[in-house]
Amino acid sequence: EDQVTQSPEALRLQEGESSSLNCSYTVSGLRGLFWYRQDPGKGPEFLFTLYSAGEEKEKERLKATLTKKESFLHITAPKPEDSATYLCAVQAENYGQNFVFGPGTRLSVLP
Amino acid sequence: EPEVTQTPSHQVTQMGQEVILRCVPISNHLYFYWYRQILGQKVEFLVSFYNNEISEKSEIFDDQFSVERPDGSNFTLKIRSTKLEDSAMYFCASSLYGQGGNSPLHFGNGTRLTVT
Repeated sequence: EDQVTQSPEALRLQEGESSSLNCSYTVSGLRGLFWYRQDPGKGPEFLFTLYSAGEEKEKERLKATLTKKESFLHITAPKPEDSATYLCAVQAENYGQNFVFGPGTRLSVLP
Repeated sequence: EPEVTQTPSHQVTQMGQEVILRCVPISNHLYFYWYRQILGQKVEFLVSFYNNEISEKSEIFDDQFSVERPDGSNFTLKIRSTKLEDSAMYFCASSLYGQGGNSPLHFGNGTRLTVT
């Protein structure tokens, strides 16, 4: 069964302590993998789109990478304001226009 | 930067009542969506809308739900007879294109629906 999973479920980091979040997917015909940030009580905020294995995108302290089976969101020297839930979503041939979301990783960065 | 706006931010209703959730998508976007997120759970697809008709819908989107674009700017989700299990955050989203083409979803900040 096609699915999108994320790990870890929750992550606590000290300010400045770099780490990576994982998004694994088992879909046929990936059209795009999307990373979002979601703050409590808010809608998901778009971060990155990745389309093909080997692709990388960067924005400030965040870098997203993509392989044929998973994507990583690397956070370098995080700050407390990076605390949020990070969601990945995939769009695939057999999903049509639907974006399928993973359960998210809840990141807490402590000062 | 253009954004998706949703009203109201919070709606409380009694079971069996009808509710209408409203959204103004980004003005040049062509595809419109409703997603929902039950507290502590995944963001789930409900329906997509293009060219004034539903293009796809999920199993969740049963006969109790309907969508409409009554004018050139608004996009609404109606729930005819609410149930307790409809309590969730409802997100409207829009995108320029429907599939790929560097066209992510842009979300509003949601309407929290509480059914009592």
